[in-house]
Amino acid sequence: NAGVTQTPKFQVLKTGQSMTLQCAQDMNHEYMSWYRQDPGMGLRLIHYSVGAGITDQGEVPNGYNVSRSTTEDFPLRLLSAAPSQTSVYFCASSYSNTGFYGYTFGSGTRLTVV
Amino acid sequence: KNQVEQSPQSLIILEGKNCTLQCNYTVSPFSNLRWYKQDTGRGPVSLTIMTFSENTKSNGRYTATLDADTKQSSLHITASQLSDSASYICVMTGTASKLTFGTGTRLQVTL
Repeated sequence: NAGVTQTPKFQVLKTGQSMTLQCAQDMNHEYMSWYRQDPGMGLRLIHYSVGAGITDQGEVPNGYNVSRSTTEDFPLRLLSAAPSQTSVYFCASSYSNTGFYGYTFGSGTRLTVV
Repeated sequence: KNQVEQSPQSLIILEGKNCTLQCNYTVSPFSNLRWYKQDTGRGPVSLTIMTFSENTKSNGRYTATLDADTKQSSLHITASQLSDSASYICVMTGTASKLTFGTGTRLQVTL
C-alpha cells in the first residue's frame, strides 16, 4: 500500500542512548518532515527536507539529526536521548511544502525515554 | 506570534447528532487552512482544504467554513457515527509555507 511507513511503532530508551527512527515513502514526494506531538500542544516541526540531499531545521531541532540520501527515506536520529524527548513522532511527506497538496502522515512512533 | 486555538478541547455526543468544532487563528497572511482527522494511534488524515478566498468546503458529512473577517473556521459534522470518534486538528499554511497546528478537539461519539 502506498503511503508513509514509520518504524518502530514503540520504543523505550534509557537516558543517553541513541537511536534512529525510520521513515520511508513510496509516493515520490519531494518534501518530507518530522514532527513531534505532545499532550496539549500542536504538532511541532523538528526537521524537514525539500529533496534528496537537502535538509533544514524546524521549530524544535535540538537533540535531533536528519539526512536525506534518497527521495524515499528520511531517518531521524536521536543523538543522546533525554526524558524531554518522550513524545509521539510523526513523519509526513508531500509533493511540495506549499500545504496545498496536503501531507501524508505515517502512523507514528511512540518514544519513551526513562 | 501565529497561533491556532481550537475549541472545545473535548466533546461527547450521541450517535446521529450533529456537532461543530471551532478554530480561531491569528495566522496572517495564510494560503490555506486544512482540517485533519486523527484516529487514536494513527497519523492525521486530511479532510478538507480551503484557500484564503474560500468560505466553505464539504467532504461527505464534513463541512468546513472559513470567515476571514472574524478569523474563525469551523468544522461541522452531520449525523455523527461511531467512526467519527477521533481528534480533529485545524492546520494553517502561513508565510514561507510554515504550518501552524492547533491542539485539536477530541470528539467521542457514543451510543
